[in-house]
Amino acid sequence: AQTVTQSQPEMSVQEAETVTLSCTYDTSENNYYLFWYKQPPSRQMILVIRQEAYKQQNATENRFSVNFQKAAKSFSLKISDSQLGDTAMYFCAYKSGGSNYKLTFGKGTLLTVNP
Amino acid sequence: DGGITQSPKYLFRKEGQNVTLSCEQNLNHDAMYWYRQDPGQGLRLIYYSQIVNDFQKGDIAEGYSVSREKKESFPLTVTSAQKNPTAFYLCASSRGGTSGLAGFTGELFFGEGSRLTVL
Repeated sequence: AQTVTQSQPEMSVQEAETVTLSCTYDTSENNYYLFWYKQPPSRQMILVIRQEAYKQQNATENRFSVNFQKAAKSFSLKISDSQLGDTAMYFCAYKSGGSNYKLTFGKGTLLTVNP
Repeated sequence: DGGITQSPKYLFRKEGQNVTLSCEQNLNHDAMYWYRQDPGQGLRLIYYSQIVNDFQKGDIAEGYSVSREKKESFPLTVTSAQKNPTAFYLCASSRGGTSGLAGFTGELFFGEGSRLTVL
């Protein structure tokens, strides 16, 4: 079974600085998808960024980018120019490319952006 | 506005009682999901439904039941058989369904959650 590990339960960063959240996963599949979801305090969880394993190019969405290392099974999220609104729980998630709708989530990293 | 509505936001239950959490979506999504979120545990899948009148168990289905009589609605019942029901419950929806995975990009749209506390 696939597992997703986020080794940093909590992190903090100063406003305007850059922070990187780590995620590793375990799979024997070659085709899969990886995601970062954001859950702000008392607000709905939303998708931040998505990466297909067959794409070598790292995904980027505005201030959010990933470092996808397929051989190392690593999928880190970099947030540039951190803003107070980035304060949230961040979840890394894995989806098999094959057969089902199931996403496997990591335990999350609580990121606090300080003014 | 399109979205997912969960109710109630907070619910208290006595031991031995069944409770039903409501989830409604107006995104015209085929697939719907229920996740359970515990502190330090991430999200775990309880049930999901790809289409009306069909649903599958997730990783932690024991003690829970669902129905999918309408495309817009996917209620979750937490039964008295669930040994540790105190948790935060998240409902989600996505494209996909019988059109298969071609329609499912992995993007889930979540509700705001329901917090259940057993007294």
